[in-house]
Amino acid sequence: GENVEQHPSTLSVQEGDSAVIKCTYSDSASNYFPWYKQELGKGPQLIIDIRSNVGEKKDQRIAVTLNKTAKHFSLHITETQPEDSAVYFCAATSGSRLTFGEGTQLTVNP
Amino acid sequence: KAGVTQTPRYLIKTRGQQVTLSCSPISGHRSVSWYQQTPGQGLQFLFEYFSETQRNKGNFPGRFSGRQFSNSRSEMNVSTLELGDSALYLCASSLGLGGSEGETQYFGPGTRLLVL
Repeated sequence: GENVEQHPSTLSVQEGDSAVIKCTYSDSASNYFPWYKQELGKGPQLIIDIRSNVGEKKDQRIAVTLNKTAKHFSLHITETQPEDSAVYFCAATSGSRLTFGEGTQLTVNP
Repeated sequence: KAGVTQTPRYLIKTRGQQVTLSCSPISGHRSVSWYQQTPGQGLQFLFEYFSETQRNKGNFPGRFSGRQFSNSRSEMNVSTLELGDSALYLCASSLGLGGSEGETQYFGPGTRLLVL
């Protein structure tokens, strides 16, 4: 089955800096890669996703890149703000079953 | 459009009891997936239902079961509760188009279950 590894497990940045979270996956058949943000006491919230026929996608301060050959994808957050502090999860799927990474605790210091 | 709703939000049970959790998907969504979230194991897939049929199942014992109704609402049941079943149970809904195309899943707030 699919295996997703996520790094780093914790990330602390200063407000205004950029943050990068990286994930690798094992199943070459995976074709959909969402990123979720989870705040304390809440369910995961989809923030951006990318499909296998696209190499990069951007939505305001958030971007995701995908390298299918190397089987890795990354989340980039620019101009970080304190409200970006949360746990971020990457996931990979082929079909309807999401396999998640272990999560990254992002802390943005004012 | 209302999001995914889950009830109850919190539950306390004792070992050996059973529990039923409920999930209402986004209007128009026909697929419901369930996940268990624990600090040690992270987010793990339990099962998925589409058109009242289980379409996919994760690696959980038979004590974990689910069902889906004709209005797409879903319930999951855990029988003979164990201490290790304490977790946040998350429901996610998607359009449920089927096939191998990855489907966008939207999560509810979860039900936090504590087993004593």
